[in-house]
Amino acid sequence: KQEVTQIPAALSVPEGENLVLNCSFTDSAIYNLQWFRQDPGKGLTSLLLIQSSQREQTSGRLNASLDKSSGRSTLYIAASQPGDSATYLCAADNFNKFYFGSGTKLNVKP
Amino acid sequence: EADIYQTPRYLVIGTGKKITLECSQTMGHDKMYWYQQDPGMELHLIHYSYGVNSTEKGDLSSESTVSRIRTEHFPLTLESARPSHTSQYLCASSGMTGTSTDTQYFGPGTRLTVL
Repeated sequence: KQEVTQIPAALSVPEGENLVLNCSFTDSAIYNLQWFRQDPGKGLTSLLLIQSSQREQTSGRLNASLDKSSGRSTLYIAASQPGDSATYLCAADNFNKFYFGSGTKLNVKP
Repeated sequence: EADIYQTPRYLVIGTGKKITLECSQTMGHDKMYWYQQDPGMELHLIHYSYGVNSTEKGDLSSESTVSRIRTEHFPLTLESARPSHTSQYLCASSGMTGTSTDTQYFGPGTRLTVL
């Protein structure tokens, strides 16, 4: 069974810092990997999806990379802002069954 | 903006009651999912559907049941609610965008409390 781990569990940074969130998975036979954002009491918002044949995806200040062979993905957030404060989740898609990590809770201080 | 809806958003109910959590999407997605999430914990897949009249159990055992009679509707039912069912329930759907693979879209969730 796929296991997804996210490190760190929590992160607090001052506004303007660049930061990296890490996601690792045990089964490299994934269809894709998605990064989500979850605000308190709300559902998840999709940020980036990386297909298994891709190495990275970019959207604005966000860049996600995927290394299937090592079972790792990273989410890079440039020039962090207080509005980026949320929990960030990664999910590995093993052919239509999604496995989530427990998330990294990010706090960006003004 | 994804169009996936869940009702109710919050539900407090007594033990033994039957409840149905509603989930609807207007994107015409074939695939729909139910997840359970306890506070600060990861999401666990409890049910999924690949289309009308198709339902499967996820990896986390659940006493709930689901049905998929229409593409846009994927309700979850608990015949007899218990305090152990207290959790947040998230519904999601996914489909293909051109030739690219599926992106999951989530509803806002239903926070269930069973007294």
